[in-house]
Amino acid sequence: DAKTTQPPSMDCAEGRAANLPCNHSTISGNEYVYWYRQIHSQGPQYIIHGLKNNETNEMASLIITEDRKSSTLILPHATLRDTAVYYCIVRRVGNEKLTFGTGTRLTIIP
Amino acid sequence: DGGITQSPKYLFRKEGQNVTLSCEQNLNHDAMYWYRQDPGQGLRLIYYSQIVNDFQKGDIAEGYSVSREKKESFPLTVTSAQKNPTAFYLCASSIEGWGEQFFGPGTRLTVL
Repeated sequence: DAKTTQPPSMDCAEGRAANLPCNHSTISGNEYVYWYRQIHSQGPQYIIHGLKNNETNEMASLIITEDRKSSTLILPHATLRDTAVYYCIVRRVGNEKLTFGTGTRLTIIP
Repeated sequence: DGGITQSPKYLFRKEGQNVTLSCEQNLNHDAMYWYRQDPGQGLRLIYYSQIVNDFQKGDIAEGYSVSREKKESFPLTVTSAQKNPTAFYLCASSIEGWGEQFFGPGTRLTVL
């Protein structure tokens, strides 16, 4: 699986949009981009995933660049409960593992 | 409510003892997984099972054992052979293969 690079930490003001970047410059054509988050001392929670088109669900939006070398997870109106570690994961179709790196620690500031 | 349960939430054991961590799901998922997380680190895969009576080693299986006798249950045994067992253990399941994984609340194991 392609490696991903994320900033170790970010802050965002409550009520603003949180934009979390992820670089996956070696991604190949059959690899998906997944996002999970982990609130302190809890199990990770699936957020969203995509292949090449932008995706949106009730939690977030995923914007994937045209060359697929990077993506951005957008939380449109961040709340204090969005404070968590966010993991960007690239997974090959049919591959057996989700590889979790160290992620981005997002802190929502009141 | 459907979901994954892990018990206990906190577990203490003496060095040299085996201990079994419970993981149960009522989501009717075929696949189940065990991960380990150390402070400030990501998750590392210990074992996974894609179907009943079958399981595979993950990246760090040494010192651990599992069984999958029922679809709903995937217990993990931390044996005395695991040199650094103190960690946060997470169980997950997915409908099949390696799709969207649902995680349990975790068990924090401390070896005294």
